Amino acid sequence: QKEVEQDPGPLSVPEGAIVSLNCTYSNSAFQYFMWYRQYSRKGPELLMYTYSSGNKEDGRFTAQVDKSSKYISLFIRDSQPSDSATYLCAMRNQGNTPLVFGKGTRLSVIA
Amino acid sequence: DAEITQSPRHKITETGRQVTLACHQTWNHNNMFWYRQDLGHGLRLIHYSYGVQDTNKGEVSDGYSVSRSNTEDLPLTLESAASSQTSVYFCASSASTSSYEQYFGPGTRLTVT
Repeated sequence: QKEVEQDPGPLSVPEGAIVSLNCTYSNSAFQYFMWYRQYSRKGPELLMYTYSSGNKEDGRFTAQVDKSSKYISLFIRDSQPSDSATYLCAMRNQGNTPLVFGKGTRLSVIA
Repeated sequence: DAEITQSPRHKITETGRQVTLACHQTWNHNNMFWYRQDLGHGLRLIHYSYGVQDTNKGEVSDGYSVSRSNTEDLPLTLESAASSQTSVYFCASSASTSSYEQYFGPGTRLTVT
């Protein structure tokens, strides 16, 4: 079992839909949880970051972490065609350690 | 503006050749990383460095090497290119104090024929 599991999709939704993207993980030492967004033929860029459990909201984006279930989610409200991208979850434990990435979920928002 | 650059952006090489991919960042970040990205595998860590003269192996380091002689650069060398190393390679950097935020370069698309 990989440390981080993420459904690769692809996921296709109509404009305005609520999108839910998820990752599960096995390492209970993970404390930092990130979502990166990657547009086609570009490098990933940090979208959201959460420390430990809880929710974090930034505009149309909400990140949730449930450490008891080892499950993290990213919700996108009122999805737009410009949200079409691959979304990668990433996580790491305490200290200056490398990130562990999920495989990414490819999202298409259709106008 | 600070940035991270990779060169070349595209490279075609033959099996058995030595290839070096360049990565240069101007943030003065201590941490630098090399990943490869393949369909079905996502981002996989090849090598990383936490400072000058420091290098560490990642998940898929066989056939690759790096050296860190200054803060700005972390070149990736494929000692003897193999077709299995055809991939998109990303370099990234982060500050030690906020290492969850990695800044990625634009990528190098490498084809080994």
